[in-house]
Amino acid sequence: GAGVSQSPSNKVTEKGKDVELRCDPISGHTALYWYRQSLGQGLEFLIYFQGNSAPDKSGLPSDRFSAERTGGSVSTLTIQRTQQEDSAVYLCASSPRVRGANYGYTFGSGTRLTVV
Amino acid sequence: DAKTTQPPSMDCAEGRAANLPCNHSTISGNEYVYWYRQIHSQGPQYIIHGLKNNETNEMASLIITEDRKSSTLILPHATLRDTAVYYCIVRVANQGGKLIFGQGTELSVKP
Repeated sequence: GAGVSQSPSNKVTEKGKDVELRCDPISGHTALYWYRQSLGQGLEFLIYFQGNSAPDKSGLPSDRFSAERTGGSVSTLTIQRTQQEDSAVYLCASSPRVRGANYGYTFGSGTRLTVV
Repeated sequence: DAKTTQPPSMDCAEGRAANLPCNHSTISGNEYVYWYRQIHSQGPQYIIHGLKNNETNEMASLIITEDRKSSTLILPHATLRDTAVYYCIVRVANQGGKLIFGQGTELSVKP
């Protein structure tokens, strides 16, 4: 597609439930990133995928968080046993990876997760 | 990646140039300077990046000092729609990896 697409745009879930957030990156972009932004806070890095390399999971806050990227395209961020502190906007970004070139990220509009 | 320092907030009159400073005194030779902005309730938007030469695109100009320890993002004719948080980030290019966003500068463009 023309941009990074995230779904759903809004999600309200009960504490303790599992949620899945989806990201469709720009076609051909090999790098994909997940960030989250709590209300009034800055962007917190979660996880990064680059091609077939092992993902950089250094930002995942706990083992309740996981992500996968199937076929080098679509990514799903899963949060198990959600807690109220998981409430935030979850942002996905993608970028191309071309030897000798240097590109910025393109972000999606995010998924606003509210845990009640 | 080198750390950056930005003022927490700035005001600018509509139609005037907005000059947003960023200090990155520990930048290393292979690190680029990137600028992003985040308009309220939207995802961040890439603006511009540079290594050592000044850069200009349709959105902004980036002025990097000769010693590369600081830079300035210039919005030549700020509009109300430029009100946003502006992030200055330095990192090595072409090696992948995450961008680390600091607190940025909240720019308010006023009529």
